[in-house]
Amino acid sequence: DIQMTQSPSTLSASVGDRVTITCRASQSISRWLAWYQQKPGKAPKLLIYKASSSESGVPSRFSGSGSGTEFTLTISSLQPDDFATYYCQQYYSYSFFGPGTTVDIK
Amino acid sequence: QVQLVQSGPEVKKPGASVKVSCRASGYNFSNYGISWVRQAPGQGLEWMAWISVYTGNTNYAQRLQGRVTLTTDTSTNTAYMELRSLRSDDTAVYYCASDPRYGGAFDIWGQGTMVTVSS
Repeated sequence: DIQMTQSPSTLSASVGDRVTITCRASQSISRWLAWYQQKPGKAPKLLIYKASSSESGVPSRFSGSGSGTEFTLTISSLQPDDFATYYCQQYYSYSFFGPGTTVDIK
Repeated sequence: QVQLVQSGPEVKKPGASVKVSCRASGYNFSNYGISWVRQAPGQGLEWMAWISVYTGNTNYAQRLQGRVTLTTDTSTNTAYMELRSLRSDDTAVYYCASDPRYGGAFDIWGQGTMVTVSS
């Protein structure tokens, strides 16, 4: 199985901050990586697919990059609606999620 | 409207089985796969299994192999997930998800079904 790690596990930030979350795979997954945002009591929402492609309707402040084993999700200017938990997911071999990164208010 | 609608909450005793349904609408259900993902209270997302609606082929997470079975009914555009020999640590919200546009990245999610396992 391909294992996924994320860092940090929790991130405290302020509105307007630039935020970066890192996701690492235990082996190369090319660019078969997605990012999701989840708020309490809700299903995850797809933000980014294929490492850097944005889902329709996702604000442009969200961007993804990386390939192989290391990936990042960047929020260029954190907005109040962005306080949530973010998960990466590899879909190169079956599907596995990272443990999540919670972005909370500083 | 593209959506997946799941069945309601369940309470089961340890050792019992549960079957959760997921009805698709707004897209060609038969052409794509359905995955199941669960989330224990306060925990992260765990991918459980996948089924190709077209071929019936399945993939199961190793830790659940032997206890979970996925099926579909194309006459009603419905997918099912059955989990047997329930334990307390199976208590979770169970989601179905599909990927008609991005082949593996889930752009459609059900609303989730809470399954509680308690004696």
